[in-house]
Amino acid sequence: EVQLVESGGGLVQPGGSLRLSCAASGFTFSSYSMNWVRQAPGKGLEWVSYISSGSSTIYYADSVKGRFTISRDNAKNSLYLQMNSLRDDDTAVYYCAREGYGGNSGIFDYWGQGTLVTVSS
Amino acid sequence: EIVMTQSPATLSVSPGERATLSCRASQSVSSNLAWYHQKPGQAPRLLIYGASTRATGIPARFSGSGSGTEFTLTISSLQSEDFAVYYCQQYNNWPPYTFGQGTKLEIK
Repeated sequence: EVQLVESGGGLVQPGGSLRLSCAASGFTFSSYSMNWVRQAPGKGLEWVSYISSGSSTIYYADSVKGRFTISRDNAKNSLYLQMNSLRDDDTAVYYCAREGYGGNSGIFDYWGQGTLVTVSS
Repeated sequence: EIVMTQSPATLSVSPGERATLSCRASQSVSSNLAWYHQKPGQAPRLLIYGASTRATGIPARFSGSGSGTEFTLTISSLQSEDFAVYYCQQYNNWPPYTFGQGTKLEIK
């Protein structure tokens, strides 16, 4: 069974940092591209970042570029999101999502349960 | 960036009836369009990809159609578990992947 379990969320002050993790199991993690998608309270879904299976290709949304860093450790079946210079509008539930159905499909076939990041003083 | 616009924002339908949700792209996305639904407190779940292909385990009452800029998700006979928020997402021109703002399907 495919499982994605996020952790690392919490309350942080504006300007602070946080590192999110996503532990993957039930599939060959190293074969899949992965993404972070977030959802502000009561709002819709916003794509945040993409990383290819071998980490050779990385993309970010303009809203987080220069502040967030995505990475992965295929030996540990884990995906990460280092978030620096956090702002109030980064407050959201952060989901990790697998790209399924072959290659860089853009189709998010499995999602974690999410971890809440709250940026507030 | 491709902007995805969903309509209506809220749709009220009785159980057993048909629901039709719309999604429009600001430019052509070919058939590279997915639909998800999300229940309160849960993660989104993939329903449809390639505009019309049901994801694994999705019941046949869910169907998708369209290409280019106009897309439709139809739920033929609403069950209680179908009342949720529905999102479309394009993956044709990326980054960024973009989502619609969502349609809330509620019980009438």
